[in-house]
Amino acid sequence: AQRVTQPEKLLSVFKGAPVELKCNYSYSGSPELFWYVQYSRQRLQLLLRHISRESIKGFTADLNKGETSFHLKKPFAQEEDSAMYYCALRTSNFGNEKLTFGTGTRLTIIP
Amino acid sequence: GAGVSQTPSNKVTEKGKYVELRCDPISGHTALYWYRQSLGQGPEFLIYFQGTGAADDSGLPNDRFFAVRPEGSVSTLKIQRTERGDSAVYLCASSSLGGRNEQFFGPGTRLTVL
Repeated sequence: AQRVTQPEKLLSVFKGAPVELKCNYSYSGSPELFWYVQYSRQRLQLLLRHISRESIKGFTADLNKGETSFHLKKPFAQEEDSAMYYCALRTSNFGNEKLTFGTGTRLTIIP
Repeated sequence: GAGVSQTPSNKVTEKGKYVELRCDPISGHTALYWYRQSLGQGPEFLIYFQGTGAADDSGLPNDRFFAVRPEGSVSTLKIQRTERGDSAVYLCASSSLGGRNEQFFGPGTRLTVL
């Protein structure tokens, strides 16, 4: 069975400093990886997915199959980045559409 | 346009009671998902509908949990004989044709079992 691990429950970073939110996964096949974000009093929303290979709000994430990681990075943190971040995995099996989430990391940007 | 909506936003019930949680997906979305999020945890998959049928119900924890989507739109999650351990936020998500597309989440229903 697949598993997603986010080792940091809490992360505080100064405004303007680089951010890295860690995500590791275990799955024997080819996974799809996602980052979801939940801002205060808002619903969970997709931030980015590895197959898109795009940067959203300055965030990027690269799938490293050798290290089974999908860390989320941003070079310069902004106050509006404060939120709860969840890494999620979906298997490549046709018909298996469910997302498996990590426990999340609460990111706080210190002004 | 309107996103996924869920009602009620909060539900408090007593142990042993029956509850129904409702999800209205984005219009035209054929895939609908239920997840449960306990305190301090990430969302945990419960069940997935493609149209009217449950394509994957492997996440339902036991037979007290049941979900329906009779007309392929609105879905209801039903919990019988509620237990304190059922207290959580129940999230609904929907996606367009071919569930491989982005899942859009609703605001959730916070269920508290006393």
